[in-house]
Amino acid sequence: GAGVSQSPSNKVTEKGKDVELRCDPISGHTALYWYRQSLGQGLEFLIYFQGNSAPDKSGLPSDRFSAERTGGSVSTLTIQRTQQEDSAVYLCAKSGGALSGELFFGEGSRLTVL
Amino acid sequence: GEDVEQSLFLSVREGDSSVINCTYTDSSSTYLYWYKQEPGAGLQLLTYIFSNMDMKQDQRLTVLLNKKDKHLSLRIADTQTGDSAIYFCAETPRNRDDKIIFGKGTRLHILP
Repeated sequence: GAGVSQSPSNKVTEKGKDVELRCDPISGHTALYWYRQSLGQGLEFLIYFQGNSAPDKSGLPSDRFSAERTGGSVSTLTIQRTQQEDSAVYLCAKSGGALSGELFFGEGSRLTVL
Repeated sequence: GEDVEQSLFLSVREGDSSVINCTYTDSSSTYLYWYKQEPGAGLQLLTYIFSNMDMKQDQRLTVLLNKKDKHLSLRIADTQTGDSAIYFCAETPRNRDDKIIFGKGTRLHILP
């Protein structure tokens, strides 16, 4: 929604497999965020890209999680050796609104680890 | 440290008022926000308040800010079934390059 495209919308994988989730912010932005949302934990911050600065990775839950943003635009979140507790909806958001705190979110990628 | 706290669940009867509360820690925040997430969708900005304001009203929505206690609330008057969603409180730091901090979200359930 609002210029943020995420794929896949749904992903079912087996425990131990690697997955890649993609976020395309489509149009102008300076900052890009990844969040994880699950029923019991609510919304959890994962990683934040801002301009050419080093990303803020303080929310990544383990070294199995990594993310990159290529050309200052499309971002990929990679989860290696997936575990069942990684099952969640992964949301991507971009800045670009008139207000500094206005973010535009994608509809998310629902990950199910069997 | 930076933190935004809100309860995870709230149940309200249709027609009553809903009050969703939030506490934050960054006293330098310039804006505070409420986002709404409907089922199967991403978050969308619902309303916001400048840090130098105490109250903002927008139709059925009233935002109250108590800067001394770092407490923010969202009141929804005459709650309808369409208000059923998850509501997120968020703050932005004074430095535009600092990341936005969200609460975990409050799931509002409407009882018939």
